[in-house]
Amino acid sequence: EDQVTQSPEALRLQEGESSSLNCSYTVSGLRGLFWYRQDPGKGPEFLFTLYSAGEEKEKERLKATLTKKESFLHITAPKPEDSATYLCAVTGGYQKVTFGTGTKLQVIP
Amino acid sequence: ETGVTQSPTHLIKTRGQQVTLRCSSQSGHNTVSWYQQALGQGPQFIFQYYREEENGRGNFPPRFSGLQFPNYSSELNVNALELDDSALYLCASSLAGARVTEKLFFGSGTQLSVL
Repeated sequence: EDQVTQSPEALRLQEGESSSLNCSYTVSGLRGLFWYRQDPGKGPEFLFTLYSAGEEKEKERLKATLTKKESFLHITAPKPEDSATYLCAVTGGYQKVTFGTGTKLQVIP
Repeated sequence: ETGVTQSPTHLIKTRGQQVTLRCSSQSGHNTVSWYQQALGQGPQFIFQYYREEENGRGNFPPRFSGLQFPNYSSELNVNALELDDSALYLCASSLAGARVTEKLFFGSGTQLSVL
């Protein structure tokens, strides 16, 4: 069964203090690893899809990387508006997407 | 281009009742998935519909059922509600074939409370 483990559960950063979120996964035949952002009371918002080890994608202050067992979401010089829960998810290419429990990020001005 | 819309936004039911949640997919999307998100947890896959047929199901009992209509709107029905069914129910649409799931576009969800 596909599994996704995210760490840490919660992270508190000062504005401008860079850090990384971790996503460890097991899946039979990875077809895609996803990162989503979720604000309170909202549905998840798509950020990135990574397909193979070594792949990297960037969007503003966020950069996602992928190895055969892990993915990292690097946040460079975060701002308070980056505060949210970040969800990692995987799919083996069928209908089901398996999500982790998320990392709740708080960025303090 | 319209996004994914869900109704109602909040709902309170009592144990044993039945509930229907509704979703309107993003324009042009032919696949809809439903997820249950308990407080502090990640979304859990309930099932997916593609071309009006159930196309995959997670570990949820048969009292969770769904429909997809020709205009790609969708319903989630839950019978015999239990207290543990209290959660945020998310609808997600995508433009996908029967196999590969591409990125999902989520609605804001329906918050269901079962008393």
